[in-house]
Amino acid sequence: DTAVSQTPKYLVTQMGNDKSIKCEQNLGHDTMYWYKQDSKKFLKIMFSYNNKELIINETVPNRFSPKSPDKAHLNLHINSLELGDSAVYFCASSHAPGATEAFFGQGTRLTVV
Amino acid sequence: SQQGEEDPQALSIQEGENATMNCSYKTSINNLQWYRQNSGRGLVHLILIRSNEREKHSGRLRVTLDTSKKSSSLLITASRAADTASYFCATDQAGTALIFGKGTTLSVSS
Repeated sequence: DTAVSQTPKYLVTQMGNDKSIKCEQNLGHDTMYWYKQDSKKFLKIMFSYNNKELIINETVPNRFSPKSPDKAHLNLHINSLELGDSAVYFCASSHAPGATEAFFGQGTRLTVV
Repeated sequence: SQQGEEDPQALSIQEGENATMNCSYKTSINNLQWYRQNSGRGLVHLILIRSNEREKHSGRLRVTLDTSKKSSSLLITASRAADTASYFCATDQAGTALIFGKGTTLSVSS
């Protein structure tokens, strides 16, 4: 069983489109995150959710909207995609925000053309 | 907000040699973690060291933490080709998320 699973693994789309990335964890964790990794491998925190509540939103454009229907899921919806959104997006989860080991999904490689 | 900075950015060694990577951070922390990322994969947790600990071992990994210098090091002994990956340090940001450094890319050749 995959602990943190993201879908899709690859996503190629045109500028201006709206897309979603789904994330599910089966670890019983209370905290979930979205990270963006750019071409230089820099990992930037985008959102952090604890018990379905947003606790961090790191200067992410409001075209990005996370949604947590329950503690096991944190989906990422992106409106009006831009070329600069091309990156690998990682979902992760942990027992508590920042304090414990985080488990990462395999990533979603988003390419905007 | 970026917290950690790894050094060096890239490291190439031969199998059997030791690899040392360093991480510096800016603000006070509760813990510091190290992660490995193989090419095209997600990050995998290696080790966590708390702010009141100075050294920790796990198999061939040794991590040190110097809170007075706001720095940590990761030592991988007797490197193997399978250790080829990117290594990241991460610190907790005020109980909200893990903040990662830019990573060190390690290449181990046989």
